[in-house]
Amino acid sequence: DVKVTQSSRYLVKRTGEKVFLECVQDMDHENMFWYRQDPGLGLRLIYFSYDVKMKEKGDIPEGYSVSREKKERFSLILESASTNQTSMYLCASTLGGRSYEQYFGPGTRLTVT
Amino acid sequence: ILNVEQSPQSLHVQEGDSTNFTCSFPSSNFYALHWYRWETAKSPEALFVMTLNGDEKKKGRISATLNTKEGYSYLYIKGSQPEDSATYLCAFNSGGYQKVTFGTGTKLQVIP
Repeated sequence: DVKVTQSSRYLVKRTGEKVFLECVQDMDHENMFWYRQDPGLGLRLIYFSYDVKMKEKGDIPEGYSVSREKKERFSLILESASTNQTSMYLCASTLGGRSYEQYFGPGTRLTVT
Repeated sequence: ILNVEQSPQSLHVQEGDSTNFTCSFPSSNFYALHWYRWETAKSPEALFVMTLNGDEKKKGRISATLNTKEGYSYLYIKGSQPEDSATYLCAFNSGGYQKVTFGTGTKLQVIP
């Protein structure tokens, strides 16, 4: 079974803090993704990575950066957290090639006060 | 940004009823269409990934069909049970990329 884990289920941070959200997958997947989920807006892609040290912007990258130094780990960074970044953050991975199925982590509910 | 639309947004059905929802997506440059089930307090889990026009897939009481020429997919649940209560997401790959675009989901509640 593919397992995708995220560092925290719940996180509360103050405006202006630097926030790191970590995601680890244990099945040697090529691709990793960060989404945020907000009511009525569905899952929106922030960034994804198709290889170590490679990244591409998704649909809403503003205010975020990412890091993928090892294949199994993909980090989402909020350089200076703002209240409009309060959301549920989901990490996912895919094997790659012609395999498209996304495997999701449990999510991190981030509150910025 | 590709547009993936799902309808209805939410649905309440009685236990034992059959139901279906729709996902509409761009018909050009199609590569794959996914359906996920997302239960409260859990992660989304894949139900089906379909790639060929006319594909029909089935898992227990849940099935899905795909029409890539007209850009829609249906998800059917036969004899709904309370444990089917969840949000059902569809997602679309275009152009062979791994990146997907998700719809906003259909929230199903099955009333015992």
